[in-house]
Amino acid sequence: AQSVTQLDSHVSVSEGTPVLLRCNYSSSYSPSLFWYVQHPNKGLQLLLKYTSAATLVKGINGFEAEFKKSETSFHLTKPSAHMSDAAEYFCVVSDKPPNDYKLSFGAGTTVTVRA
Amino acid sequence: NAGVTQTPKFRVLKTGQSMTLLCAQDMNHEYMYWYRQDPGMGLRLIHYSVGEGTTAKGEVPDGYNVSRLKKQNFLLGLESAAPSQTSVYFCASRHLLSYSGANVLTFGAGSRLTVL
Repeated sequence: AQSVTQLDSHVSVSEGTPVLLRCNYSSSYSPSLFWYVQHPNKGLQLLLKYTSAATLVKGINGFEAEFKKSETSFHLTKPSAHMSDAAEYFCVVSDKPPNDYKLSFGAGTTVTVRA
Repeated sequence: NAGVTQTPKFRVLKTGQSMTLLCAQDMNHEYMYWYRQDPGMGLRLIHYSVGEGTTAKGEVPDGYNVSRLKKQNFLLGLESAAPSQTSVYFCASRHLLSYSGANVLTFGAGSRLTVL
């Protein structure tokens, strides 16, 4: 079965500095991977997804993630944090087709941005 | 605006009471899901549906029931609420076909349930 591990439960950065959120996955096949963001008291919103095309995936709000098969990682980065980036972030992996409607969520990483 | 709507947004129950959470989507999505979110545990799947009239158990189904009588609605029921069911519940939906962009979930804003 597929799974993801988010290596940091909490990340604190200063505004204008880079953000790195780490995610490792476990899968016996070529997975589909996602990053979702959840702002306080809101639902989850898709940031970006990887589906075996380009290994560097660009998402919304300046975020990007790189799929590294050799390291089984899908880390999320942003060059310069903004106050509005304060939120919880989830790394997600989907099962293989035809069961790709089944998703496994990481435990989440809370990002705090200091002024 | 098109999307997923959950009602109610907040509810407080006493142990043993029953209630139903309603999820409605207007995107003609085939798949619908109910998740619960607890601190440090991410989202865990309670039940899901791959189409009208069908439901299936997820990771943590005990104490919950669901129904999908209409394609656009997915109901989550608690027959006898317990304090362990205090959580934030999220509904989500997606299209059937797994072409690019189609297997992305659209989430509702959540329903916060407290069981005393």
